[in-house]
Amino acid sequence: EIVLTQSPATLSLSPGERATLSCRASQSVRSYLAWYQQKPGQTPRLLIDDASKRATGIPARFGGSGSGTDFTLTISSLEPEDFAVYYCQQRSIWPLTFGGGTKVEIK
Amino acid sequence: EVQLVESGGGLVQPGGSLRLSCTASGFIFSNYWMGWVRQAPGKGLEWVGNIRPDGSDQYYGDSVKGRLTIARDNTKNSLFLQMNSLRVEDTAVYYCARDLGGCGSDCHPYWGQGTLVTVSS
Repeated sequence: EIVLTQSPATLSLSPGERATLSCRASQSVRSYLAWYQQKPGQTPRLLIDDASKRATGIPARFGGSGSGTDFTLTISSLEPEDFAVYYCQQRSIWPLTFGGGTKVEIK
Repeated sequence: EVQLVESGGGLVQPGGSLRLSCTASGFIFSNYWMGWVRQAPGKGLEWVGNIRPDGSDQYYGDSVKGRLTIARDNTKNSLFLQMNSLRVEDTAVYYCARDLGGCGSDCHPYWGQGTLVTVSS
């Protein structure tokens, strides 16, 4: 099973700041990595697929990069609505796996 | 508009069974991999399993193998999750999802709103 390790577990930032979230895979997942945002009581929302492709309707301040084992989600300037939990998910190899999540909270 | 609507959640005793359904609309259901993801209260996301577009093969997470079974009826645009020998630790919101995996480089993920399953005596 591919283990996805997300860091940091919690990121405390102010609106307007840049957020950098990491997702590291225990073995290569090529570019088959997605990023999701989840707010309390809501369904996870797809932000990025195939490591760097923004999903439909996702603002340009969200960017994804990486391939193989190291991936990054960057939020260039945090808006109030961006404070949430973020998960990465790989679909390269069965079983599919999710990272443990990074909580982006208001400082 | 793409829609995935789950139903069938509720309270069940340990050792009991439950069948979840997911009704799809707004896309050609029979063309897509479908699956289930769950989230225990206050915890992260856990993949449950996926099924091929034609229903010929399924893949499961280790924690549910042998107890949970995924099936689909393409004539009714429906996905199912049969849950047997339920445990307290199966308590979670269960999400129906399209294209979580198996779709190569041409995936179009989409999630339903989820249904809550509570296993308790």
